Amino acid sequence: GQQVMQIPQYQHVQEGEDFTTYCNSSTTLSNIQWYKQRPGGHPVFLIQLVKSGEVKKQKRLTFQFGEAKKNSSLHITATQTTDVGTYFCAGRKMSGGSNYKLTFGKGTLLTVNP
Amino acid sequence: DGGITQSPKYLFRKEGQNVTLSCEQNLNHDAMYWYRQDPGQGLRLIYYSQIVNDFQKGDIAEGYSVSREKKESFPLTVTSAQKNPTAFYLCASRPGQSRYGYTFGSGTRLTVV
Repeated sequence: GQQVMQIPQYQHVQEGEDFTTYCNSSTTLSNIQWYKQRPGGHPVFLIQLVKSGEVKKQKRLTFQFGEAKKNSSLHITATQTTDVGTYFCAGRKMSGGSNYKLTFGKGTLLTVNP
Repeated sequence: DGGITQSPKYLFRKEGQNVTLSCEQNLNHDAMYWYRQDPGQGLRLIYYSQIVNDFQKGDIAEGYSVSREKKESFPLTVTSAQKNPTAFYLCASRPGQSRYGYTFGSGTRLTVV
């Protein structure tokens, strides 16, 4: 079945440093979504990428979708303590199966030292 | 305000007992989902429903059952057949079109002793 791998599993940074998490799918994706889960909270939708090579920005967050639509990345510039949490990618298969199913990566836990 | 309500937030049950987790949404979303989250793990899909009176098994449906009698409600029953039921359970919903992200409830933490 479809697998979505996410690395690294953990990342600890000093406040002000940059952070990147990477997501790789075993199959071509129709789109990919990113979520953030604060400690003790629930996942919150951040963004969806659909087009090959797409890049989207939300303030200090930059999201990229690979040309082959099999990988994606989330980059945070100048991390802040409010960025702490687990970042998940979730991909939807290009063809076959249900159009409503997302496969989630295991997430990257980001901790920030003030 | 619209949203998804999961109750209770914490639930304790004895081994061998069935337990039902509630999920209600007032977002008028068509699709609803149940995920299980274990420490250090991603979200694993248990069941999902695209319309009322219809639902499909996800990747780890064994030991679970659901119903979708109303658009707003998608309760999950954890049966005694589920071997490792202690986990954090998340309910989510989404409008019919795939370009929207999921809206998650705040979750139910189930502990079976």
